[in-house]
Amino acid sequence: QKEVEQNSGPLSVPEGAIASLNCTYSDRGSQSFFWYRQYSGKSPELIMFIYSNGDKEDGRFTAQLNKASQYVSLLIRDSQPSDSATYLCAVNLDTGGFKTIFGAGTRLFVKA
Amino acid sequence: DTEVTQTPKHLVMGMTNKKSLKCEQHMGHRAMYWYKQKAKKPPELMFVYSYEKLSINESVPSRFSPECPNSSLLNLHLHALQPEDSALYLCASSHPGQGHEQYFGPGTRLTVT
Repeated sequence: QKEVEQNSGPLSVPEGAIASLNCTYSDRGSQSFFWYRQYSGKSPELIMFIYSNGDKEDGRFTAQLNKASQYVSLLIRDSQPSDSATYLCAVNLDTGGFKTIFGAGTRLFVKA
Repeated sequence: DTEVTQTPKHLVMGMTNKKSLKCEQHMGHRAMYWYKQKAKKPPELMFVYSYEKLSINESVPSRFSPECPNSSLLNLHLHALQPEDSALYLCASSHPGQGHEQYFGPGTRLTVT
């Protein structure tokens, strides 16, 4: 059974701090990794994707990938109350790229 | 433009009804997906169409019947559903490429009575 594991949280950080969200996956052949943000009652919104080992930065967001450790993380700098949401880690299995497995999500609260 | 649209936004149906969910994208994506999401759970993949052909069926009960009339449209036909099928149904699309990053529509909130 292919799995994606996340700490369910909630993770609480003060406004302006760095929020660090972590994810591990079991399928060693996975090639593509995604972070989605989902507000309550809304659909998932793609915020970051990463394919290669290392860091990828986009604004206040940095995704980090370590395929050897089967670990992917998301850093949110200068966290804002509007960042409060559930963050879903998603992994495309090595099956042609269409089959995506989602982690259970980490709930993030940013306190003003 | 990364917009995927879904209709209706909300649907209430009885167990003997037949209804359809619709999804549309105009991003030139050639893969389209249906997911089911229960409250406080992650999305679960149901079906994937690639170039208008069914590529993945995750052993979904036959009361759910997908259809891809063209590269922009995706339907999900519903018949004889059960109350436990009540959920948020999400459509997504992606461009066949390196990562298949998927963009989701707003979803249809389905209640089966």
